[in-house]
Amino acid sequence: KNEVEQSPQNLTAQEGEFITINCSYSVGISALHWLQQHPGGGIVSLFMLSSGKKKHGRLIATINIQEKHSSLHITASHPRDSAVYICAVRHLDTDKLIFGTGTRLQVFP
Amino acid sequence: KAGVTQTPRYLIKTRGQQVTLSCSPISGHRSVSWYQQTPGQGLQFLFEYFSETQRNKGNFPGRFSGRQFSNSRSEMNVSTLELGDSALYLCASSLEQTTNEKLFFGSGTQLSVL
Repeated sequence: KNEVEQSPQNLTAQEGEFITINCSYSVGISALHWLQQHPGGGIVSLFMLSSGKKKHGRLIATINIQEKHSSLHITASHPRDSAVYICAVRHLDTDKLIFGTGTRLQVFP
Repeated sequence: KAGVTQTPRYLIKTRGQQVTLSCSPISGHRSVSWYQQTPGQGLQFLFEYFSETQRNKGNFPGRFSGRQFSNSRSEMNVSTLELGDSALYLCASSLEQTTNEKLFFGSGTQLSVL
């Protein structure tokens, strides 16, 4: 079993829909990152969380440390949100970054 | 401010050769970390450098090595290339050691081993 699991693996939405991507992990962590990767490879860091909730524009990220779970929400989705969203956790003991396998999101007009 | 710059963008090598990839961090950033991305294994951590010292290393064979220079620029080297080394290699920089820092990624070097 992977230490970081994401769901769903693939997600298709209509423009304007509310989207949720989930991340569960099984190790102790010091921080959790949400990353966005567009075709072509470039990765952008969206959020870094160690507790609670963060919001940036239409994006909201939450984390529940006790349940070892994080969610990334996109409100009023847009075709430009189409990308792969990757959850990564910083292992508390080794300090290494462990990545989930990503969620491929496609938003259609 | 210029972003993280990785060179070259694309590289084709043959088995047994060695390769050196370069990463220039954002000005003022002192930490550089490297990652390998393949369709089968996804993203995996390679190593992290801070102030010219390797502070952490992932589970990769000794053929993978790196270094960081006094200007924070970093290079990674892969010797005796294998077909399975074909991947997108990404580097990221951060202001300080990466533990609780936001990461800024480069566009990556796409390495193909024939």
